Amino acid sequence: DAGVIQSPRHEVTEMGQEVTLRCKPISGHNSLFWYRQTMMRGLELLIYFNNNVPIDDSGMPEDRFSAKMPNASFSTLKIQPSEPRDSAVYFCASSGSASGANVLTFGAGSRLTVL
Amino acid sequence: QKEVEQDPGPLSVPEGAIVSLNCTYSNSAFQYFMWYRQYSRKGPELLMYTYSSGNKEDGRFTAQVDKSSKYISLFIRDSQPSDSATYLCAAQNTNAGKSTFGDGTTLTVKP
Repeated sequence: DAGVIQSPRHEVTEMGQEVTLRCKPISGHNSLFWYRQTMMRGLELLIYFNNNVPIDDSGMPEDRFSAKMPNASFSTLKIQPSEPRDSAVYFCASSGSASGANVLTFGAGSRLTVL
Repeated sequence: QKEVEQDPGPLSVPEGAIVSLNCTYSNSAFQYFMWYRQYSRKGPELLMYTYSSGNKEDGRFTAQVDKSSKYISLFIRDSQPSDSATYLCAAQNTNAGKSTFGDGTTLTVKP
């Protein structure tokens, strides 16, 4: 398996523009997580899905952020409009644990810079 | 206050040293405890995890959990330059899917 695949790896955009980050989880994994990592705040959970259904979106910073998982092999995180404070590395992770520890496999991340 | 607190370091040690990385947590419901390693500009990868209290050993790495004091530790024996990375502790409820991460400790092992 190729692991969790994220795109784009790097994105530089101007304030106000729409940003869409994409994730392909590991085949067979039923949970998908979106995290954001910054120096100031560390690794923060934004939202997670179980069997394509959003379970907890309490970490989504505000209405400018939205996430979808239309099927088991694809998810998007959208920021509209983007702001400089959204600059961070966004990680997608998937997990296949049916019970017990939910061990995460992370993608390589999407580094977002909003000017 | 964050549910999982971790000393950010940075920590610098000579090759061959024993390294101790530590976290504390506040949520008594946490039952699973993980350590992830993150190399520069990469995603975190799982090193090991433990359930409830006790020790778990994997090669040069030992994870230790003391639930009475809400303390999580990772020990690295005979540290190598290739161990230089950021180490993130994480904790999880038994029935909740999400993991709560510490901020990470950056470790440098000097040859």
